[in-house]
Amino acid sequence: RKEVEQDPGPFNVPEGATVAFNCTYSNSASQSFFWYRQDCRKEPKLLMSVYSSGNEDGRFTAQLNRASQYISLLIRDSKLSDSATYLCVVNDNDMRFGAGTRLTVKP
Amino acid sequence: DAGVTQSPTHLIKTRGQQVTLRCSPISGHKSVSWYQQVLGQGPQFIFQYYEKEERGRGNFPDRFSARQFPNYSSELNVNALLLGDSALYLCASSPAVEAFFGQGTRLTVV
Repeated sequence: RKEVEQDPGPFNVPEGATVAFNCTYSNSASQSFFWYRQDCRKEPKLLMSVYSSGNEDGRFTAQLNRASQYISLLIRDSKLSDSATYLCVVNDNDMRFGAGTRLTVKP
Repeated sequence: DAGVTQSPTHLIKTRGQQVTLRCSPISGHKSVSWYQQVLGQGPQFIFQYYEKEERGRGNFPDRFSARQFPNYSSELNVNALLLGDSALYLCASSPAVEAFFGQGTRLTVV
């Protein structure tokens, strides 16, 4: 089993759609979780941390379920500029990345 | 404030050669990590350094080595390059658990 697994994608959605990405992790002792965004041929950029209580940043909502070892990211009212690859990251002393899920938002 | 800076941005090397990649962390960050990202995959952890000491090593061969200097900058060295070493090499600096990445060095081995 991979340490961090994500929906394979790709996701192709129209502007204004709501899209959800899922991620599972294998180490039940993991403590820190993040979503990063990576544009084509660019470096990953921190989108948001994921807290146990769930957290929201504008149109983005992240959820953590420790019992199921599951992380999610919800994007509401998708914009063209949201098109990117979204990386699920678990920090176990070093950062473990999922393979990423590619999102394309179309007009 | 300057972000994480890496040099060079692009590099072409021949099989068997050696390469050194450089990274300057964000000012005040003492932890530097290196990652390899091949096309279609997420970044894979190579090394982490904190206060000049190696704190972690990923599943990479001994051809990969790194060090951190007193000013917290870091170098990644790869010996005896293979075609499979072609990738984007990312450096990240951390104040705590979050990581901030440089733009990467794109290495092509021919």
